[in-house]
Amino acid sequence: QVQLVQSGAEVKKPGASVRVSCKASGYTFTNYYLHWVRQAPGQGLEWMGFINPSGGSTSYAQKFQGRVTMTRDTSTSTVYMDLSSLRSEDTALYFCARNSDSGLDFWGHGTLVTVSS
Amino acid sequence: QSALTQPRSVSGSPGQSVTISCTGTSSDIGGYSYVSWYQQHPGKAPKLMIYDVSKRPSGVPDRFSGSKSGNTASLTISGLQAEDEADYYCCSYAGNYKYVFGTGTTVTVL
Repeated sequence: QVQLVQSGAEVKKPGASVRVSCKASGYTFTNYYLHWVRQAPGQGLEWMGFINPSGGSTSYAQKFQGRVTMTRDTSTSTVYMDLSSLRSEDTALYFCARNSDSGLDFWGHGTLVTVSS
Repeated sequence: QSALTQPRSVSGSPGQSVTISCTGTSSDIGGYSYVSWYQQHPGKAPKLMIYDVSKRPSGVPDRFSGSKSGNTASLTISGLQAEDEADYYCCSYAGNYKYVFGTGTTVTVL
């Protein structure tokens, strides 16, 4: 069965960087794009970007350009999302989600990133 | 890219129908037939309910339906049930390999 397993919660200081991982299983990793979506406490969903695990190409929301980097490791079927220059507004639950061309059909459980001094 | 506009909340009694609107622009909803809808219960990951404006993934009840007119997409829940109480988000392709979510709507079953 399709599973996306994300790394554990992180606590970071303002200005620091964070890396969140998302390990895929149960399907051919390189056949589906993986998206990152975040949700601040009590707020809505926000699209951050995606990566094509096959070639590594990416697309980022303009809001995060220059601060976010998405990469993948095909040997472990894992994608990574690095976010730098963290500020308090980046405190959120970060989800990875698989795009099947029919929408985001499978989601990870989410990784809580807390930015606090 | 601004978030798509949804009503903050809608409500209905069991068995009734509710419709959630999602308003964008000609650069997103109006320009493509790639609108999807997600249901999110508290503390859970979102679940895909509708894709490509009006298609239902396997396992989603046919009480859920989607449509689009111009720059506005809509999700209708017919025969409202208690388990439909959740937050709902629309999402649209916005060109140039970008996507945008809606502001979210809380559905309350009275």
